[in-house]
Amino acid sequence: EAGVVQSPRYKIIEKKQPVAFWCNPISGHNTLYWYRQNLGQGPELLIRYENEEAVDDSQLPKDRFSAERLKGVDSTLKIQPAELGDSAVYLCASSFYLAVDSGANVLTFGAGSRLTVL
Amino acid sequence: KNEVEQSPQNLTAQEGEFITINCSYSVGISALHWLQQHPGGGIVSLFMLSSGKKKHGRLIATINIQEKHSSLHITASHPRDSAVYICAVHKNSNYQLIWGAGTKLIIKP
Repeated sequence: EAGVVQSPRYKIIEKKQPVAFWCNPISGHNTLYWYRQNLGQGPELLIRYENEEAVDDSQLPKDRFSAERLKGVDSTLKIQPAELGDSAVYLCASSFYLAVDSGANVLTFGAGSRLTVL
Repeated sequence: KNEVEQSPQNLTAQEGEFITINCSYSVGISALHWLQQHPGGGIVSLFMLSSGKKKHGRLIATINIQEKHSSLHITASHPRDSAVYICAVHKNSNYQLIWGAGTKLIIKP
């Protein structure tokens, strides 16, 4: 199984430029999360999807950030325009919906996309 | 007060020691995760618990729902166990995932 796939792994852009990140979750995982992690800090939830519905986007800075999850599978996170403070690692994770007793590690993270804004 | 509290924040131990990391939470939960993040690395899910105990290799995770407390134990610790260990809980009310601040573990050879 490929796991959660994210791209690009690294992106360097100048401020005010747009950037987009892509996430392909594990097949069958209906819940998808986008997190932002700054150096030395824990992940901060940006948005959570249940299938194609964004059920928690309260932490998403909607003036410049947008996300979509078409057909409840792949997801993209976009920043336009990027600011210096957006430099961080953007993590995508997916999980089964409360499949707690499956015996498997059902919350799976991608490797992250490291954004540097100059 | 944070809804998920971990202790200790930092832990340094010698190779071979038995390690315990604690997590307490104040909200109703449906599940609790223990995750591991190596420096500069990705986040790996170690366990997902709703009751009792789970074991995988040298790692053991326990949870006491009545006391709202979970522990992660590492037996025969090794320098490669050095990482940040994070406790995160799924809230009952909206299944939001709440993260603890993490415990930075360093195992010295």
